[in-house]
Amino acid sequence: GAVVSQHPSWVICKSGTSVKIECRSLDFQATTMFWYRQFPKQSLMLMATSNEGSKATYEQGVEKDKFLINHASLTLSTLTVTSAHPEDSSFYICSASRGKVSNQPQHFGDGTRLSIL
Amino acid sequence: TQLLEQSPQFLSIQEGENLTVYCNSSSVFSSLQWYRQEPGEGPVLLVTVVTGGEVKKLKRLTFQFGDARKDSSLHITAAQTGDTGLYLCAGVGYSGAGSYQLTFGKGTKLSVIP
Repeated sequence: GAVVSQHPSWVICKSGTSVKIECRSLDFQATTMFWYRQFPKQSLMLMATSNEGSKATYEQGVEKDKFLINHASLTLSTLTVTSAHPEDSSFYICSASRGKVSNQPQHFGDGTRLSIL
Repeated sequence: TQLLEQSPQFLSIQEGENLTVYCNSSSVFSSLQWYRQEPGEGPVLLVTVVTGGEVKKLKRLTFQFGDARKDSSLHITAAQTGDTGLYLCAGVGYSGAGSYQLTFGKGTKLSVIP
């Protein structure tokens, strides 16, 4: 199988706190990792694509200075929400893919629910 | 920007009934995927359709990819309560940044009533 582990599952913190979310591919090497955000009753919106060893590519409207992505190894990517505010509360989901070609599926983590008070 | 329109957004049916969920776009996709997502979890891949006109069956679920690779449908026969969940379609397209990415539809929340 292809297992992606996301940690933590749930975070509650005060406004102004920075929060780091980890995404690990447990049994395969992930050349590419994706970060999505899902608001209640809405679909997944791609935030950024990161390839191991290079800078992440952010989607339009996503602030790269607020959502810091690091993909330092083939099994780990992190998303840091800096100085989080209540409007950043959402369900953040990562996925990992073995390669950049279209036939390489994305394997999803179970998501992180972020609640900013 | 590639967009996927998914319909209906909500569907409530009796157990044993049939249903169809549609996914439409004006863009051509390399392939199209269908996912099911439970509350508080990540989406789980059900199927990938690649060739225009392709039909795939997964037990009582039938997936079809349009001839022009712009639309797809999911048909469930004799729905069961266990089919309840959020169904998402996602188109696979080249991002222009050196990788392929998924564009998700808004999802169809299916409730099957016993």
